[in-house]
Amino acid sequence: QLQLQESGPGLVKPSETLSLTCTVSGGSISSSSYYWGWIRQPPGKGLEWIGSIYYSGSTYYNPSLKSRVTISVDTSKNQFSLKLSSVTAADTAVYYCARLRPAAGTFGRYFQHWGQGTLVTVSS
Amino acid sequence: DIQMTQSPSTLSASVGDRVTITCRASQSISSWLAWYQQKPGKAPKLLIYKASSLESGVPSRFSGSGSGTEFTLTISSLQPDDFATYYCQQYNSYYLTFGGGTKVEIK
Repeated sequence: QLQLQESGPGLVKPSETLSLTCTVSGGSISSSSYYWGWIRQPPGKGLEWIGSIYYSGSTYYNPSLKSRVTISVDTSKNQFSLKLSSVTAADTAVYYCARLRPAAGTFGRYFQHWGQGTLVTVSS
Repeated sequence: DIQMTQSPSTLSASVGDRVTITCRASQSISSWLAWYQQKPGKAPKLLIYKASSLESGVPSRFSGSGSGTEFTLTISSLQPDDFATYYCQQYNSYYLTFGGGTKVEIK
C-alpha cells in the first residue's frame, strides 16, 4: 500500500527558506507515468497546488510561486523535496505531498494518494 | 491559468438529503475534473475523476457530471460520514487549480 510522509521543520523564520521532504513507501518513485507533487492549505482556507515533478526531474510549478519554488527528486532514497524561498507569514500552511495519476488525453493529472500533511508556521 | 469557482461555499443539509455542489471553470476543461472530500485535520480524499468516474472504494451515492465549464457533484442520500468540505480540481493542463471548496454542514 502506497504511503507518503512529509517531514521537515515546523517553524521557519521570515525571509528564510522552507524545506520539506516527502518519503514514499510501498511503491517506487521511479514508476513510469506517475508525477509527484506538493499542495498547501493555509489554516481555514482552500487548497493550492505548488508544483509537480517526474522521477526524471521534469518539473511544473504554479506560476504564482514559480520564482520561489524548487522541487527535486532523489530516486535512490525514494524521496522528493520542496524548497520555498523568501517565506512570509502568508506561506504558513499545511503542506501535503501526493502522487498524481496520469490521464489519457491530457497532460494534466489529479491527486490519487496524499500524505497526512505537515504544518509549517512562518514566524520570528 | 484556469479559475475554478464552486457554489455554494457552505451548504446546510440533513441526513438523507440529496445534495448538489457546482463547480465552474473559467474556460473549457473538457471532462478533466476531479472531486475530493476533506474532513477536518485530514488530507483530501479522491472521490471522482474525469468528471464522472467513481474512484475505487467510494460509495455509489456519490456521482459527478458535466463537461466543458460546468460540473456537479451529487450525493444522492447524505450520510453522517459525508459532512465534510468538498473541492473540485481541474487538470486540463500541467497547471492545476482547485475550487474554493464547499462545506457541507449539518442542518
